[in-house]
Amino acid sequence: GAVVSQHPSWVICKSGTSVKIECRSLDFQATTMFWYRQFPKQSLMLMATSNEGSKATYEQGVEKDKFLINHASLTLSTLTVTSAHPEDSSFYICSAPGQGYEQFFGPGTRLTVL
Amino acid sequence: GQQLNQSPQSMFIQEGEDVSMNCTSSSIFNTWLWYKQDPGEGPVLLIALYKAGELTSNGRLTAQFGITRKDSFLNISASIPSDVGIYFCAPTKPSNTGKLIFGQGTTLQVKP
Repeated sequence: GAVVSQHPSWVICKSGTSVKIECRSLDFQATTMFWYRQFPKQSLMLMATSNEGSKATYEQGVEKDKFLINHASLTLSTLTVTSAHPEDSSFYICSAPGQGYEQFFGPGTRLTVL
Repeated sequence: GQQLNQSPQSMFIQEGEDVSMNCTSSSIFNTWLWYKQDPGEGPVLLIALYKAGELTSNGRLTAQFGITRKDSFLNISASIPSDVGIYFCAPTKPSNTGKLIFGQGTTLQVKP
């Protein structure tokens, strides 16, 4: 149980285009999901909290108009990187909470912006 | 902010050796989680600690939640090549509304 999937696993796009990343909880429901970004050889940095039925809450320094989050259902959250630029190239990972305070992570999405 | 320090930053050991890494914080937490991340993958939960002083094992892994609630350590005994990866501590508490703070990570390399 407690499996989180992400799609796509990797994506390459041109500068200026938008990219959508999906995060699904496969065998449980999640009213909250979290989106992280990880640059090479660095730790995970929380970007935002995705809330089912309400607006996402963003961490300080994260542009909400650039990183659009939609929590469409109890099993799906999407992150759209709008007008992507090379500096947005990173590893994006989502997570969903379990019964306690533990979180279960998706396999990540590698975004490369040319 | 909630300062979190994880050490060592990296370790290169011989297969069969024991490994120890730890995290210390300036804040008190009521949950300490330890994750392992393989290259190109998401983190996988290894051990969850919920009580100060708690010592928990998961196979060759042992983790403890410090009495002060500001620290935790993870030990790996008799390391094997598949232990290679990055290990993260990630504490949290109710006021964090589910958010995890990640340590800087400990990169482990095991020489067969």
